[in-house]
Amino acid sequence: QKEVEQDPGPLSVPEGAIVSLNCTYSNSAFQYFMWYRQYSRKGPELLMYTYSSGNKEDGRFTAQVDKSSKYISLFIRDSQPSDSATYLCAIKEYAGGTSYGKLTFGQGTILTVHP
Amino acid sequence: DSGVTQTPKHLITATGQRVTLRCSPRSGDLSVYWYQQSLDQGLQFLIQYYNGEERAKGNILERFSAQQFPDLHSELNLSSLELGDSALYFCASSVSGTSNQPQHFGDGTRLSIL
Repeated sequence: QKEVEQDPGPLSVPEGAIVSLNCTYSNSAFQYFMWYRQYSRKGPELLMYTYSSGNKEDGRFTAQVDKSSKYISLFIRDSQPSDSATYLCAIKEYAGGTSYGKLTFGQGTILTVHP
Repeated sequence: DSGVTQTPKHLITATGQRVTLRCSPRSGDLSVYWYQQSLDQGLQFLIQYYNGEERAKGNILERFSAQQFPDLHSELNLSSLELGDSALYFCASSVSGTSNQPQHFGDGTRLSIL
């Protein structure tokens, strides 16, 4: 079993839809949660970063963390064709661990927003 | 633009050869990370350096090595290359080496082994 599970999709939605992307994880030592967006032939771009349970909002993006269920989500409101990309969840352990520099990624979800 | 620079963008070489990938971190970042992205394994952590010293190691093959220089740029050396080493190699950087610092990625080097 992978430490971080993410449905690879692909996910296709019409412009203006609300998109929900999800990851589950198994390691309780994971304390820092990120969402990255990756366009074709580009590096991952940091979208959201949080370390506590609850919601964090930034424009059209909302990151949600539920540590008790080991479940994280990214919601995209009013989705645009320019949001078409691969979305990767990434999780890090608490600073005291020996792998504290390491990001563990989900497989990524391919999202297409069509006009 | 993340501010992380990787060169070259694309490398084509043959099995058994050796290559060097280069990374310049964002200005002010002391920590550099290397990741490998392949279709079947996704993004996998290889190694982290902080201010010239190795800080954490992932599933990096013995044929691979890295270092971070006094000017903070880093190089990833891949030797005795095999077909399975074909992948995207990303460098990321962060201000420090601690967990609560986000990592910012370059656009990667695409390595093709023929």
